[in-house]
Amino acid sequence: EVQLVESGGGVVRPGGSLRLSCAASGFTFDDYGMSWVRQVPGKGLEWVSGINWNGGSTAYADSVKGRFTISRDNVKNSLYLQMNSLRAEDTALYHCARVGSRTTRDFDCWGQGTLVTVSS
Amino acid sequence: QSALTQPASVSGSPGQSITISCTGTSSDIRSYNLVSWYQHHPGKAPKVIIYGVTKRPSGVSSRFSGSKSGNTASLTISGLQSEDEADYYCCSYAGSTTWIFGGGTKLTVL
Repeated sequence: EVQLVESGGGVVRPGGSLRLSCAASGFTFDDYGMSWVRQVPGKGLEWVSGINWNGGSTAYADSVKGRFTISRDNVKNSLYLQMNSLRAEDTALYHCARVGSRTTRDFDCWGQGTLVTVSS
Repeated sequence: QSALTQPASVSGSPGQSITISCTGTSSDIRSYNLVSWYQHHPGKAPKVIIYGVTKRPSGVSSRFSGSKSGNTASLTISGLQSEDEADYYCCSYAGSTTWIFGGGTKLTVL
């Protein structure tokens, strides 16, 4: 069974840092690109960051560029999001999502998410 | 990177059909046949119901269909059922490993 399990969320003060992890299982991890997608409570989905199969290509939403860093470890079948200089508006449920394929570019598998709360 | 534009809410009675629009720009929807749609029930992970503008993943009801014209994509749900009540999001690939989501549409089945 394909599974993505996020961890690392929590409460952090503005300006602080957190590192999110996503453990993948049930598929060949390095065959797929991955992304982080967040949902602010009561609001919509926002794509945050993406990485290709080998980590050689990364991209970020303008709202997090320069503060967040995406990475992956294909030996550990894990995806990461290092979040620095956190702001109140970063408070959200963070999902990791698998990119179905290079030809479809859809998110065909999602984790349940990990909650990040930025508050003083 | 402004969000794609969706109506905030739509509603319909059981058995009816509804259409949700998703308007983007020449940099996203118009440029790529890579629009996907997601069904999101509160407390659950989003689920892809349409990819590649018109394709349905295995196991998704044929009552869901997608289309695109110019800068606008659309999701149509026919034969509405109570379990279709959820939030729906469009998403377009926007090049260089980036994506953009719509603001979401809340579907109410009356």
